[in-house]
Amino acid sequence: GIQVEQSPPDLILQEGANSTLRCNFSDSVNNLQWFHQNPWGQLINLFYIPSGTKQNGRLSATTVATERYSLLYISSSQTTDSGVYFCAVEPSTGGFKTIFGAGTRLFVKA
Amino acid sequence: SQTIHQWPATLVQPVGSPLSLECTVEGTSNPNLYWYRQAAGRGLQLLFYSVGIGQISSEVPQNLSASRPQDRQFILSSKKLLLSDSGFYLCAWSRGDGPEAFFGQGTRLTVV
Repeated sequence: GIQVEQSPPDLILQEGANSTLRCNFSDSVNNLQWFHQNPWGQLINLFYIPSGTKQNGRLSATTVATERYSLLYISSSQTTDSGVYFCAVEPSTGGFKTIFGAGTRLFVKA
Repeated sequence: SQTIHQWPATLVQPVGSPLSLECTVEGTSNPNLYWYRQAAGRGLQLLFYSVGIGQISSEVPQNLSASRPQDRQFILSSKKLLLSDSGFYLCAWSRGDGPEAFFGQGTRLTVV
């Protein structure tokens, strides 16, 4: 099946710093989403981005489907950005399944 | 707007006891429904998905089963829990003709 790899696995930032999270996938996908899991376990939809670039406040994401990767940018990080960031894809040949990467655990220090 | 409800939020069960977790979706019809499990400190593993009433696909062999008795209801069950069934269980839905998945609040299950 499709492999979804996220890097880095762990990241510690000073408040105000910028960061880039990467998601590589091994096969073609119909869809790609970025989620933020807060400390209470809730998965929050950040972006639905099968291709192109989107921005929402301090967050932006870019997916280059032909090269099988997506990037999530966090600018001017805040302590509330802490948590785990997941990339999830729907394989082109998978049929309605959303497959998750292992996540990037982010801690933003005050 | 669409909402997804999952309960209970936390559950502590003894080994060998049965399990029933329920998930319901409001505000949409014929959704795709999913059960995921997240072990401590790890990613999400897809357990089951359903594209319609009575249609269940299992992704991994395990001690769990799923059922979809109604269009917007998805149930995760076990006849006898194992210690290894502990984890954080998340229900999700997506539109039948759309790809974006939305998640419930999750159930933290501890088997003792």
